Amino acid sequence: GQQVMQIPQYQHVQEGEDFTTYCNSSTTLSNIQWYKQRPGGHPVFLIQLVKSGEVKKQKRLTFQFGEAKKNSSLHITATQTTDVGTYFCALRAYGGATNKLIFGTGTLLAVQP
Amino acid sequence: NAGVMQNPRHLVRRRGQEARLRCSPMKGHSHVYWYRQLPEEGLKFMVYLQKENIIDESGMPKERFSAEFPKEGPSILRIQQVVRGDSAAYFCASSPPLGQGNTEAFFGQGTRLTVV
Repeated sequence: GQQVMQIPQYQHVQEGEDFTTYCNSSTTLSNIQWYKQRPGGHPVFLIQLVKSGEVKKQKRLTFQFGEAKKNSSLHITATQTTDVGTYFCALRAYGGATNKLIFGTGTLLAVQP
Repeated sequence: NAGVMQNPRHLVRRRGQEARLRCSPMKGHSHVYWYRQLPEEGLKFMVYLQKENIIDESGMPKERFSAEFPKEGPSILRIQQVVRGDSAAYFCASSPPLGQGNTEAFFGQGTRLTVV
C-alpha cells in the first residue's frame, strides 16, 4: 500500500530559528494533508494541498507540494514555543470503497526558549 | 456544534478483560475512522466505517478487535481479552460525506488505554 516517510524524526531548535519537515512518497500522491499534534493532545488539521507545485502559507507556516506530487514540506519561520508538537503529513488513499487517511511517521519539534 | 466525542478519556483494564471505546462523530458526519497510536509513534489506521457498514478494516488485527457503527448511537471499538501490547492511545476521527473540496478529518481527544 501507499506509504509516506517523514524526515527528520526529531528536531530541536532554539526559539526564533526556522524549522522544516519533509514528507516523501515513492508513488504520485493525489493530495497531501498536514496535521499537528501537541504533546498529550490529538491531531489537528492544518492544511490540504492538491495541485502540483502548490504553495500555501498560514502566518509563519509555509506548505509546499512538489512538482511531481511525490513530496511535500512544511516550513516554520522563527519558531515559537507554541509550535512544539509532532507534525504529520497524511494522504487520502482512494481505492475501491475506501478513502482512509494514511499518516507519515511524523516529526517531533522541540523548541527551547 | 460539538466536536468528535470519545469516551472514556482514560481506561485501565487488567489483562484478559474487555475494553470498549466509544466515539460520537461530529454532527452531519457519516464517516468514522479509528487509529491507534503507540507511545512515541505515529498514527496507524485501523478501520473505516459508515453507518451500519465496515468499509475498510485492513488495519484491524485479525483477532480480538472488532468495530461497529450502528444506525443509532456511537461507534464502538471493542478489544477482547486485552494484553499489555494493546496499551495505546486510540483516536477516532470523522469526516463529512466526501465530495469536492476539503477532505480533512476531525479527531476526538482519544482514549488512553492502559493494560495492567
